[in-house]
Amino acid sequence: GAGVSQTPSNKVTEKGKYVELRCDPISGHTALYWYRQSLGQGPEFLIYFQGTGAADDSGLPNDRFFAVRPEGSVSTLKIQRTERGDSAVYLCASSLGTTHADTQYFGPGTRLTVL
Amino acid sequence: LAKTTQPISMDSYEGQEVNITCSHNNIATNDYITWYQQFPSQGPRFIIQGYKTKVTNEVASLFIPADRKSSTLSLPRVSLSDTAVYYCLVGDTAFSSNTGKLIFGQGTTLQVKP
Repeated sequence: GAGVSQTPSNKVTEKGKYVELRCDPISGHTALYWYRQSLGQGPEFLIYFQGTGAADDSGLPNDRFFAVRPEGSVSTLKIQRTERGDSAVYLCASSLGTTHADTQYFGPGTRLTVL
Repeated sequence: LAKTTQPISMDSYEGQEVNITCSHNNIATNDYITWYQQFPSQGPRFIIQGYKTKVTNEVASLFIPADRKSSTLSLPRVSLSDTAVYYCLVGDTAFSSNTGKLIFGQGTTLQVKP
């Protein structure tokens, strides 16, 4: 079946611009996670959705970052006034959401480059 | 948060068995141990998960001693395609936060040579 998909695969933007990154989770998965991965590092948690609500946004670095999941399926990560330090691969993962130990299935990521 | 420690890198040759050990001295009672694999330009992929003793699937085995303060991922007869970064994770000890978020370390870069 279809896995987690993310668009775009690559995004190049200029400092100060606004960007949106999209995640399509596996159908039927109620839990959705966003992570950020810098070069040579492991993924870093940003935000977690259970259904439509953000159950844990403790990983968002500052108020320039925001994410939504209005219908409990597709999610969009929004970054305002991008900075060069935001350059990273943004990963989305989804899981069944029935227990904490449910396997998370990751998408291929969106590589964001801020010039 | 439970912290994990694993080697930064390992080398192996095709056909060998590879064992990657992870230390997690502060693991909590409710924590599971999970290993993920990541190839370049891809998201991490679940390999195996366990709570105690031994777990085996079609890809790997996971050995967990009684004290659960460490675990060993065993990859039998590796091939070149097993070259990847391997992450050891334990469950977020703050289960009261009710998220299941994954806490990744730097991982172990495994290089399999011909």
